[in-house]
Amino acid sequence: DQQVKQNSPSLSVQEGRISILNCDYTNSMFDYFLWYKKYPAEGPTFLISISSIKDKNEDGRFTVFLNKSAKHLSLHIVPSQPGDSAVYFCAASVSGSEKLVFGKGMKLTVNP
Amino acid sequence: DAGVTQSPTHLIKTRGQQVTLRCSPKSGHDTVSWYQQALGQGPQFIFQYYEEEERQRGNFPDRFSGHQFPNYSSELNVNALLLGDSALYLCASSLAPVWDPNYGYTFGSGTRLTVV
Repeated sequence: DQQVKQNSPSLSVQEGRISILNCDYTNSMFDYFLWYKKYPAEGPTFLISISSIKDKNEDGRFTVFLNKSAKHLSLHIVPSQPGDSAVYFCAASVSGSEKLVFGKGMKLTVNP
Repeated sequence: DAGVTQSPTHLIKTRGQQVTLRCSPKSGHDTVSWYQQALGQGPQFIFQYYEEEERQRGNFPDRFSGHQFPNYSSELNVNALLLGDSALYLCASSLAPVWDPNYGYTFGSGTRLTVV
């Protein structure tokens, strides 16, 4: 049973435009959410996180939005750059638990 | 400042064999978590080690075991290998068991295990 779902396996956008990556979750106990980026042959790299007490967190070109009632979060990348091309994972955690629950990932391609 | 290092990078084993994977956490980190990433899937939590003890475990059978050494490095052992154990095994480290919201966990590049 997938508790964290990334329903779109891939997304292709033009350089300079916005990339929107979506993630849904089913476990209402999750109260922290993270996004990781993974390049081939490298480990996942932490991007940004958000607590369930917030509905938005911003870090440079990356913004994560959380809609608790819909159990939905999204990662916005503006403007998108070719170096952003990677697989993006959404992950969730219950406060006090060390375990991260990951989605299957979404491959983002940013075309020059 | 070295990040998380894992060895070996690739490994091929035969069904029924045993395998040991190794991880050195990022400098300054004392907690190691192991994840399994099957092809086309997200990483799945196996277990976490802190102060040389297993703190939390995911839904993995007892064939998966681990160890943490006094220098905080860790080993993941898998016995009686099955074809389904073929995956990328990722090690993640942090300072203290609960990850920092500003940094998450720091992951290594992983060990690609192929069971034939």
